[in-house]
Amino acid sequence: AQTVTQSQPEMSVQEAETVTLSCTYDTSENNYYLFWYKQPPSRQMILVIRQEAYKQQNATENRFSVNFQKAAKSFSLKISDSQLGDTAMYFCAFMPRVYQKVTFGTGTKLQVIP
Amino acid sequence: SAVISQKPSRDICQRGTSLTIQCQVDSQVTMMFWYRQQPGQSLTLIATANQGSEATYESGFVIDKFPISRPNLTFSTLTVSNMSPEDSSIYLCSVEGPSGYTFGSGTRLTVV
Repeated sequence: AQTVTQSQPEMSVQEAETVTLSCTYDTSENNYYLFWYKQPPSRQMILVIRQEAYKQQNATENRFSVNFQKAAKSFSLKISDSQLGDTAMYFCAFMPRVYQKVTFGTGTKLQVIP
Repeated sequence: SAVISQKPSRDICQRGTSLTIQCQVDSQVTMMFWYRQQPGQSLTLIATANQGSEATYESGFVIDKFPISRPNLTFSTLTVSNMSPEDSSIYLCSVEGPSGYTFGSGTRLTVV
């Protein structure tokens, strides 16, 4: 069974600074999908970024980028130029293949400080 | 990505009663997923709903407690039956999209 571990329950960052959220996972699969989701206080789950394991290039979406280390089974999220609206819970998630069960990590609560 | 309308957004219910949560998708999707998020916790998959067949439940979840309907490719309901305070959670539906899973806005259920 796949497991997803987020070792940082809470983090804070000053506005405009950069922060990195950690995620590790365990799987025997070779091709799979990784996600970062954001859940603000509104509780809406918002997809931040997606990475396919067969792609060596790290995914980037505007201020959000990942550091995907397949051999180490690590998938960290870097948020640059942090904004107050980035304050939220961030969940790392793993999916072995399309239409398969998604496993979520326990989440990291990020607070952006003005 | 698909747009999901989920309702109700919140409800306060008496123990022993049932609540039905609805999710409407703006496009046809093969599979819909129902999650529970207990206070301060991550998301746990309850079941996967396919149109025209029985839902597939995860370990620890049973059909009698969480009956699911999937009458067509754009709609599904989850019922939380015979509720107890332990059922107080956020319930979310989700569908697979081209970039990843899209979620409804969630239903915050409080059982008193």
